[in-house]
Amino acid sequence: GAVVSQHPSRVICKSGTSVKIECRSLDFQATTMFWYRQFPKKSLMLMATSNEGSKATYEQGVEKDKFLINHASLTLSTLTVTSAHPEDSSFYICSAPGGDTQYFGPGTRLTVL
Amino acid sequence: QKEVEQDPGPLSVPEGAIVSLNCTYSNSAFQYFMWYRQYSRKGPELLMYTYSSGNKEDGRFTAQVDKSSKYISLFIRDSQPSDSATYLCAMSAGPPGAGSYQLTFGKGTKLSVIP
Repeated sequence: GAVVSQHPSRVICKSGTSVKIECRSLDFQATTMFWYRQFPKKSLMLMATSNEGSKATYEQGVEKDKFLINHASLTLSTLTVTSAHPEDSSFYICSAPGGDTQYFGPGTRLTVL
Repeated sequence: QKEVEQDPGPLSVPEGAIVSLNCTYSNSAFQYFMWYRQYSRKGPELLMYTYSSGNKEDGRFTAQVDKSSKYISLFIRDSQPSDSATYLCAMSAGPPGAGSYQLTFGKGTKLSVIP
């Protein structure tokens, strides 16, 4: 199946700093990528849809200015958590559509101290 | 009522047992149904993909969709300890590979297969 990578796999940062997470489709191009957040023992919640060459589409309740998304190329989307706070600590997962379905990255564990 | 309901478990079975996992949904627009497996602290991995109603088998795994009842199931035969993971159902109104349709997930069922 298709491969999606994420970097870093885990990051610990201080409150108030910004963190960038990269999502790459390794063997296919993706004009659209999706960013999810998953809290412990909860399902994946869609945060935003990343669109190559245009602005991202955010789900209701997700702060656009806090979670900056840039779809720089057909294989790369980045999510920047700006001025991170402890409540932003979560597991962030991206996915890219390919073939019949969506393929997910391995996730990034963010811990904000 | 949530769009997709899934019993979070946990579900614990002995090795070799048949496992039955299921989800119900309320949105009749859903046409595409998937099961993902997620190991702890990893991204979801696609297990089964089904369009509309019917059955699909892949090795020890069988997926069933009953659109009239808005009910989908995943059966695992001869379960193995390596099957221990969280299983998430997901569904969408259009082809998820097209990029235009979101996936709606269940909460996931945590399965433990005891040797």
